[in-house]
Amino acid sequence: NAGVMQNPRHLVRRRGQEARLRCSPMKGHSHVYWYRQLPEEGLKFMVYLQKENIIDESGMPKERFSAEFPKEGPSILRIQQVVRGDSAAYFCASSGLANTGELFFGEGSRLTVL
Amino acid sequence: AQSVSQHNHHVILSEAASLELGCNYSYGGTVNLFWYVQYPGQHLQLLLKYFSGDPLVKGIKGFEAEFIKSKFSFNLRKPSVQWSDTAEYFCAVNARGSGGGADGLTFGKGTHLIIQP
Repeated sequence: NAGVMQNPRHLVRRRGQEARLRCSPMKGHSHVYWYRQLPEEGLKFMVYLQKENIIDESGMPKERFSAEFPKEGPSILRIQQVVRGDSAAYFCASSGLANTGELFFGEGSRLTVL
Repeated sequence: AQSVSQHNHHVILSEAASLELGCNYSYGGTVNLFWYVQYPGQHLQLLLKYFSGDPLVKGIKGFEAEFIKSKFSFNLRKPSVQWSDTAEYFCAVNARGSGGGADGLTFGKGTHLIIQP
């Protein structure tokens, strides 16, 4: 049973470019969460999605960041016009049930902005 | 909104020593509590969880944690650590019925545990 799959594992972008990070949840899971991890910081919640719906995006920066979870295909976290401060590890997690908090994490996508 | 505080950012122990990592949360309502571990270069894995019932919960690899409601704490313990326990440990809270906020987890900043052989 495949776990949460994220790609790419590593992504290098120059300032001003776009970054797209993909996440396929575990089979049977319909809830997807994105977290960002900065050095010496814990994981910061960004956004919670269900199929075709953004449920909570209270952790998303107001500009340049967007997320989607279409009916078909993976969830995508998109960062436009990246800046050096966007360099971080981005983790996706999925769950089969809402509100329990038990999440299954992918291996993360490490974004480096030059 | 809930918050999670982990007291020690870096802990260094020798093999066979006992371990206790502190975790306190702030939220007045009912919570689900978790400890996750992140081994070097790997993704986060669930160590143990508390939803309700016996406040002393046992997880994988000999870890346990005790929920003390009056202290808003959920400390992680292991009687005898091994070199392979070297990892980052994260305490996390999910506030049940918090409504309007994130349905995911609020994490502490993590504790980097190094076990010396």
